[in-house]
This record gives sequence, structure tokens and C-alpha cells, in this order.
Amino acid sequence: DTGVSQDPRHKITKRGQNVTFRCDPISEHNRLYWYRQTLGQGPEFLTYFQNEAQLEKSRLLSDRFSAERPKGSFSTLEIQRTEQGDSAMYLCASSLGTGTDTQYFGPGTRLTVL
Amino acid sequence: KQEVTQIPAALSVPEGENLVLNCSFTDSAIYNLQWFRQDPGKGLTSLLLIQSSQREQTSGRLNASLDKSSGRSTLYIAASQPGDSATYLCAVLQGGSEKLVFGKGTKLTVNP
Repeated sequence: DTGVSQDPRHKITKRGQNVTFRCDPISEHNRLYWYRQTLGQGPEFLTYFQNEAQLEKSRLLSDRFSAERPKGSFSTLEIQRTEQGDSAMYLCASSLGTGTDTQYFGPGTRLTVL
Repeated sequence: KQEVTQIPAALSVPEGENLVLNCSFTDSAIYNLQWFRQDPGKGLTSLLLIQSSQREQTSGRLNASLDKSSGRSTLYIAASQPGDSATYLCAVLQGGSEKLVFGKGTKLTVNP
């Protein structure tokens, strides 16, 4: 069990560029979640996957955001035409899949949009 | 809409002191409640998870309680140490959803 990993850890981009983040969950974990955290706030839910199916999306996930989890393993979160308001820590979490068990979080990807 | 509130927003204590962090939530229809620790610029570390049917959970110097009917949880830290300095986040797993709803956290500083 190597824990949840995220790549990259830091990303600096210019406004209008596209960025993609990757999350590798704990092996055997069926559920994968994406959250966003801005300075001084708690994380906010974005979306989650049960295996490869995206089952819930927050209204925070505008049409510029897209998430995938091909083959039910790793996941990617893409932000198109980045805006300064997208600057945040993007956190990934995974859980076994019973729905009420612990969510284990990765180290996060810090995005800065200039 | 579920709202989670944590009080106080920041707390500074001398080493060795016992302390209590508070968390309240507005909708009692939850599956469970989790307490997390977050170090600056880092991800979240799960500390304790209390299922909705449970009243408390203990791990080492940490004890968390849950009163679902009143919408409250407390995290008790015994004999605090400088290494406990971090932000502590409370989150509830909302019934009918898979998302955790977080409070803003309590920033704890334990002074040597």
C-alpha cells in the first residue's frame, strides 16, 4: 500500500492555458474523489468515480473541467482555459467502495494561474 | 444544504495541555464523521472516523465523540505536543451522497 499519489505536485500556468492533473489511488480502491481547496477553506467536493463510472459532479465543476478514470484505475482532471480563480490545491482521495469507509487523501496538486 | 462549522478558527496552547476542538453540522442525516489533520501545503491525514451509529472513537491521545441528534462532534487531544501543531478539519459524509462536506478547520499551535 503506497498511498494515493498525485502528479504534478505543483503547476504554474498562464491564464488561458490547459492543465491536466493525474491521481493514482490506493490499489484495490474502487472509489476515487476529487476535491478543491482554496486558502483558508476546507476542501470542496468536485466529483467522484465508482470504478470507471463518474457518478456525481458538483456544480463547482464547470464545463471547463473534465475528469476521467479510464479502466477504473488512475484518474485525470483537466482544466481548460484556466482562470486566476482556478488557483487552488486539487486533492484526490480514494476509498474501498462501501460508501461509508475512510477516504484516504493524496498530497495534492497546487495550481497557480498567473 | 449541509453546513459544517468549526470553533475556534485558531487555538494556541502550551505543550502538555489537554484541549478540545469543536465541530457542528446542520443536517443530522449523515453516514459518518471524520477528523483529518492537514500540515501546511500538504494533503489530509485521516485521524478518526465515527460511523453515525457510534458515539466515540479513540486512537492514542485522540478521542472523538459524536452526538448526531444535536449535530455536534468534539476532538479531544490529550497531553498536546509541538508535533500536534497543524490544521484539524472535520468532515461529514452526507446521507444520499458520496461527498464529504468539510468545515474550514481549526489551526492548532502547540508551543514548547
